[in-house]
Amino acid sequence: EVQLVESGGGLVQPGESLRLSCAASGFTFSAHHMDWIRQAPGKGLEWVGRTRNIAHNYTTDYAASVKGRFTISRDDSKNSLYLEMNSLKTEDTAVYYCARNVGGSYWGGWIDPWGLGTLVTVSS
Amino acid sequence: DIVMTQSPELLAVSLGERATINCKSSQSVLYNFNNKNYLAWYQQKPGQPPKLLIYWASTRESGVPDRFSGSGSGTDFTLSISSLQAEDVAVYYCQQYYNLPVTFGQGTKLEIK
Repeated sequence: EVQLVESGGGLVQPGESLRLSCAASGFTFSAHHMDWIRQAPGKGLEWVGRTRNIAHNYTTDYAASVKGRFTISRDDSKNSLYLEMNSLKTEDTAVYYCARNVGGSYWGGWIDPWGLGTLVTVSS
Repeated sequence: DIVMTQSPELLAVSLGERATINCKSSQSVLYNFNNKNYLAWYQQKPGQPPKLLIYWASTRESGVPDRFSGSGSGTDFTLSISSLQAEDVAVYYCQQYYNLPVTFGQGTKLEIK
């Protein structure tokens, strides 16, 4: 069974940093691009960014709202995905989902499955 | 960025009746070289992560009931539920993966009338 489990969420103050992790199992992690997507309380879905697979040199892309503040990385030997978040703002408050991208090409494809998510709250 | 606009934002349908959700993209998500529409549909129930229903605009994901269907091409797409069941109450999102950034519609909340 494909499974994605996020961890590392919590309450932080504006300007602080936080690192989220995602443990993957049930599929060949190294073969897939992986995405982070977030959902503010009561709001819709916002794509945060992507790390591509080894065939695409682990390149990354980010949403404009987080570029320069967030960094996505992966450790294929540990089947793990990470999201390093710096200079956090109140508007970064959201549930953060780790998700597998299905497609394989450079531009990726649809998203399946999604983890259960981890809540990040940025507040003073 | 490609803007995805769903309508309506709130839809109330009687059990057993048809539900139709629309999604319009600000530019075409049809890739001419392979004639595929780079569009997916997701279902999100309260307290749960989104679940993939449809990809390539009309290909149903394995295990998804056949009352769910997707149609459309270019910039206009539709998700239909042929006979609404109680368990279909959820928020539905369309998403384009034609280019980056990936973008989602604002969501359509489906309720029982």
